This record gives sequence, C-alpha cells and structure tokens, in this order.
Amino acid sequence: EPEVTQTPSHQVTQMGQEVILRCVPISNHLYFYWYRQILGQKVEFLVSFYNNEISEKSEIFDDQFSVERPDGSNFTLKIRSTKLEDSAMYFCASSDVGTDNTEAFFGQGTRLTVV
Amino acid sequence: GENVEQHPSTLSVQEGDSAVIKCTYSDSASNYFPWYKQELGKGPQLIIDIRSNVGEKKDQRIAVTLNKTAKHFSLHITETQPEDSAVYFCAAIKTSYDKVIFGPGTSLSVIP
Repeated sequence: EPEVTQTPSHQVTQMGQEVILRCVPISNHLYFYWYRQILGQKVEFLVSFYNNEISEKSEIFDDQFSVERPDGSNFTLKIRSTKLEDSAMYFCASSDVGTDNTEAFFGQGTRLTVV
Repeated sequence: GENVEQHPSTLSVQEGDSAVIKCTYSDSASNYFPWYKQELGKGPQLIIDIRSNVGEKKDQRIAVTLNKTAKHFSLHITETQPEDSAVYFCAAIKTSYDKVIFGPGTSLSVIP
C-alpha cells in the first residue's frame, strides 16, 4: 500500500538553528500538508500546498516557517531559527485530487526536539 | 473557524466490551468526518469515515454515526481487543482537500 514517508524520524537541534524536515508524499497525490502535534495535545494544521504554492496556512505558520517542493517527489518544511516551543511531532500528509476523495494520508512523523 | 470537541478524553474498557467516543463540531459547512487511530510513535491512520449525506456506516467491529442537525458524530467499537488500545481522533473537513480539523483525542485502553 502506498504511504507517505518522512525523514528523519527524530531530529535534535539547538535553539536558533535551522532545520529541514523532509517528506515524500504518495506519488499521484497533488495536495500536501504539514501538521504538528505538541506532546499530549491534538494534531494542529500548519500549512497546505497545491500547484507549487501555499493554499492555506494557520497562524502557527509564521515567517520562521517555509515549505518547498524542490523536485517531483519531495516536500519539505523548514524552520529558520528554532525555538524551544517548536519541539513537537511534525506530520506530513497528502491527498489525491479525486472528485469525492478527501482522505488525507499521514506519514509516521518527525519528532523534533529543540534544546 | 471549525472547532471539534471530543469526549471522553480517556476511556478504559474490559476486553470484549464496547467503546463509544462522541464528538461535536461547530461549522455546519463541514461535510466529511474521518476518524483516526494513533498508536504510540506513529502518525494518525484513518480507520473509518462518514460523509454528510450518510447517517451511519459500519466496517466490521467499527461503526460511526452522524447527526448533522445536532452536529454530533460518534465512533462505536464493539468486541474490543487489546490491540484497539490507542489514541482516537475525530475530525471534520469542510470541502475536498481542505485541512483536517482534529478533535483533542481519546486515549482508549482495553484491559485484557
């Protein structure tokens, strides 16, 4: 079964450093998303991406965050200058462009720890 | 914007008993209601969903119901097994490709 893959599974970084989280969405999907989950809390939407541009972003997704689809398979989330409160699980998701198919498939996540 | 509430936050049941998780949503424009299961260290996995034109859907031991008028939807798991232990999230989506709005989650423990 096709799946969304994320790397790395765990990233430890020092406060103020830049991190890039990587995702390979399902190959025929065209909508891509990033979500985050702070430990013990619910999954929160960060950003959606379609046709090489951001289609929607939440208030969490400030100027420190950016997304990119550098090639035909990868989708990345960059945090420019990490803060302690950026520590969370980050999930990538993708969905198909079907007329009635709204299911989003989630990756296993990257655990980001900012120290 | 949409807000999804979920109850209970924790639920313990004996193996073989049923588990029920209830959710409410605020935006009447929401049309698609997926349920996700999240096991420790993994991402949310879709287990069942229901669309706004359907009142009930069943898949083996799992069933979901939707009351659009009251903006309520529920997950029912029958004959629970230890491997059902996980965090379950209800969610609401307005239109195709829209963001998923998650509820706060229910931690289900099935006691052997």
